[in-house]
Amino acid sequence: EAQVTQNPRYLITVTGKKLTVTCSQNMNHEYMSWYRQDPGLGLRQIYYSMNVEVTDKGDVPEGYKVSRKEKRNFPLILESPSPNQTSLYFCASSLPPRLAGGGRSYNEQFFGPGTRLTVL
Amino acid sequence: GENVEQHPSTLSVQEGDSAVIKCTYSDSASNYFPWYKQELGKRPQLIIDIRSNVGEKKDQRIAVTLNKTAKHFSLHITETQPEDSAVYFCAAKGQRGGADGLTFGKGTHLIIQP
Repeated sequence: EAQVTQNPRYLITVTGKKLTVTCSQNMNHEYMSWYRQDPGLGLRQIYYSMNVEVTDKGDVPEGYKVSRKEKRNFPLILESPSPNQTSLYFCASSLPPRLAGGGRSYNEQFFGPGTRLTVL
Repeated sequence: GENVEQHPSTLSVQEGDSAVIKCTYSDSASNYFPWYKQELGKRPQLIIDIRSNVGEKKDQRIAVTLNKTAKHFSLHITETQPEDSAVYFCAAKGQRGGADGLTFGKGTHLIIQP
């Protein structure tokens, strides 16, 4: 089954304790992204990656790191979490637009199930 | 960078009536406009999208219209049903970076009244 998985799904932690949220996709997608979702603010992109070893900042990258050592995995790292990073996090993957066609959407984002993070 | 405004934030309609959600964008170079539906506790899922070389696209009860001159696009849902209740997000693909560059609106909570 084609899917994007995230772990953990729920996490409560304390300020300053480093954590990693994993993301994995089995669709051989080149593009992967991390978003955070907050009430009244919608989805905001944190980081994205166009391929292995290629990453760049999104709209709200402060306090986050990412890595893309393998095509299927794109972990999100919070080196020193703070309470303002309490949020719902979504990983997403997509094909690049150049591979769209044959009925596939131009740039459909396939989202993971989400990780609800609380930082105390 | 791109800025996407979405209205209304909450929309309540009677079952069977139509619902319209509107978005505006700022980057005239944006060329792709998807709509995502997020049911309570679930992940967002693409329901329809439109590219800038098309003015309208329909898929059964949902349609999207795009006015490039005015830089706005809208989602139309006809004959609404209880399962249409969800949060809907519009997005625009601008020129930031190259991966996806999607900027999302803040969402519209659509409530279908029985």
